Amino acid sequence: GAGVSQSPRYKVAKRGQDVALRCDPISGHVSLFWYQQALGQGPEFLTYFQNEAQLDKSGLPSDRFFAERPEGSVSTLKIQRTQQEDSAVYLCASSLLQAYGYTFGSGTRLTVV
Amino acid sequence: AQKITQTQPGMFVQEKEAVTLDCTYDTSDPSYGLFWYKQPSSGEMIFLIYQGSYDQQNATEGRYSLNFQKARKSANLVISASQLGDSAMYFCAINSGNTPLVFGKGTRLSVIA
Repeated sequence: GAGVSQSPRYKVAKRGQDVALRCDPISGHVSLFWYQQALGQGPEFLTYFQNEAQLDKSGLPSDRFFAERPEGSVSTLKIQRTQQEDSAVYLCASSLLQAYGYTFGSGTRLTVV
Repeated sequence: AQKITQTQPGMFVQEKEAVTLDCTYDTSDPSYGLFWYKQPSSGEMIFLIYQGSYDQQNATEGRYSLNFQKARKSANLVISASQLGDSAMYFCAINSGNTPLVFGKGTRLSVIA
């Protein structure tokens, strides 16, 4: 597609609920990144894929967070048993190569109540 | 580890005036890239300008220019002829080799008519 597409745009989850956030990167982009952005802060790195391989997941805050990209294109970020501190905007970005600039999606705003 | 410091939480500028947004960085890698992104209230991260550590000249893109001072580890963004549509959050970021982009906390720019 023309840009990075994320869905849903907004998600409200009750505490303890599982959520799945989808990212559809630019066609042909090898690298895909997930970031978490708390209100008033800069984006914080969560995890990175090169094609279907998850090369770095050092930023995932807990084992409740899980990401996959099974066919090297669409990626899903799953959060199990959501907690209030998970409330944030989740940004997905893709890039031709790691060293190049990233193209970001519009993000998913998750609110845990 | 790489780090970005943006010391200005908020800045005001009169329409049509120029403004400088500060960014200092820390890295031990000899080769790295510096990026500036704009984030309007809609939430999308918009790429503005890139500077490579070995680039001899300061990067420019339209009204945006990057004042790169390698010895001082600074990469300030200069916006000339500010417009009302420039009001947004601005983030400085760095990456190198196989490391993902690391962002600063951002500066909120408000353009006054």
